[in-house]
Amino acid sequence: DTAVSQTPKYLVTQMGNDKSIKCEQNLGHDTMYWYKQDSKKFLKIMFSYNNKELIINETVPNRFSPKSPDKAHLNLHINSLELGDSAVYFCASSPLMGSDTEAFFGQGTRLTVV
Amino acid sequence: DAKTTQPTSMDCAEGRAANLPCNHSTISGNEYVYWYRQIHSQGPQYIIHGLKNNETNEMASLIITEDRKSSTLILPHATLRDTAVYYCIVKGRGSQGNLIFGKGTKLSVKP
Repeated sequence: DTAVSQTPKYLVTQMGNDKSIKCEQNLGHDTMYWYKQDSKKFLKIMFSYNNKELIINETVPNRFSPKSPDKAHLNLHINSLELGDSAVYFCASSPLMGSDTEAFFGQGTRLTVV
Repeated sequence: DAKTTQPTSMDCAEGRAANLPCNHSTISGNEYVYWYRQIHSQGPQYIIHGLKNNETNEMASLIITEDRKSSTLILPHATLRDTAVYYCIVKGRGSQGNLIFGKGTKLSVKP
């Protein structure tokens, strides 16, 4: 069983479109995250949610809106896509924010905006 | 910004130990040292973490200096599949306890 799964794995779309990336974890974790890895391979945190509540929003444009329907899911909606949004987006989860535990990452969603 | 400094790249012969250094001179008393790696086109993978004492698990060993200003990740018998970018991360607790990734070390294991 995949611990943290993201769909889709690849997403190619045109500028101006609205798209969503889904993330699910079956580990029973309380905290979930979205990270963005750009073309230079820097991994940056975007959001973190703890028990469905937004905890961290790292100066991400408001075109990006995370939604957590329940503790096991954290979806990422992106409106009015721009060329600069092209990147690999990783979802992750951990048992409890800030605890002495490891985070588990999904396999990533490669978003290409054309 | 990342609180750690790592070499950009390293090579290691297959079967030999890979020793990856990390400097974290500004680490505070309640911050842990974490190591993750990212194999090409995959999500980051947790390796090991520690606070003060040396740690060992099935993947690697972590040696932390007594002053905690630096550490070394040791892969005892590197294989080709260990080729990856290795990230050393200093992480605190509470709302500041997020993983902040730096540039990492690109380890190339060669036959």
